[in-house]
Amino acid sequence: SQQGEEDPQALSIQEGENATMNCSYKTSINNLQWYRQNSGRGLVHLILIRSNEREKHSGRLRVTLDTSKKSSSLLITASRAADTASYFCATDARGSNYKLTFGKGTLLTVNP
Amino acid sequence: DTAVSQTPKYLVTQMGNDKSIKCEQNLGHDTMYWYKQDSKKFLKIMFSYNNKELIINETVPNRFSPKSPDKAHLNLHINSLELGDSAVYFCATGGVDNEQFFGPGTRLTVL
Repeated sequence: SQQGEEDPQALSIQEGENATMNCSYKTSINNLQWYRQNSGRGLVHLILIRSNEREKHSGRLRVTLDTSKKSSSLLITASRAADTASYFCATDARGSNYKLTFGKGTLLTVNP
Repeated sequence: DTAVSQTPKYLVTQMGNDKSIKCEQNLGHDTMYWYKQDSKKFLKIMFSYNNKELIINETVPNRFSPKSPDKAHLNLHINSLELGDSAVYFCATGGVDNEQFFGPGTRLTVL
């Protein structure tokens, strides 16, 4: 089965609200990464959290990692219409030889 | 300057044809990748090259052949195109922590 499964598959919120997306994975990892993809565009790297880190912040983004549960969450605070995009988690598994495995993504819609 | 560029952006072709997609990067990264994203947005790695050497080949049909003439380029050649090859193909490079820098994608439509 797929390493890195995001939940929910789709999320619709109002501007100004917070958005939380979750990611579960199956194997030991070096790091976990989150990406954003706007419609018709390439993926953009947002944030990376290493296996020995529990929380990381970048602007309005907050990522947590629980290696005991093999799960991560991405929180976007004070969302904006421009945050509308698909969000993917990706795991860099130990011994994977530089291979990232992506989840199926969460489609976030922020309504103005 | 665009960090990772791909050409063409759109490619429409008939079944059975042979086509190539080109990728160039100016980030100086040693590792480059090809990914395929299907209509459900599932992103799957196809190949990875590190300093012109193939290091990942993920159960991709032999009709797909990557070529890396130098560290800055990784091209993808596809023979005998099939309907199921229709997808968006992304080139990417890998940074120090294997964070990926993606190109804009090539939308391939096989008729």
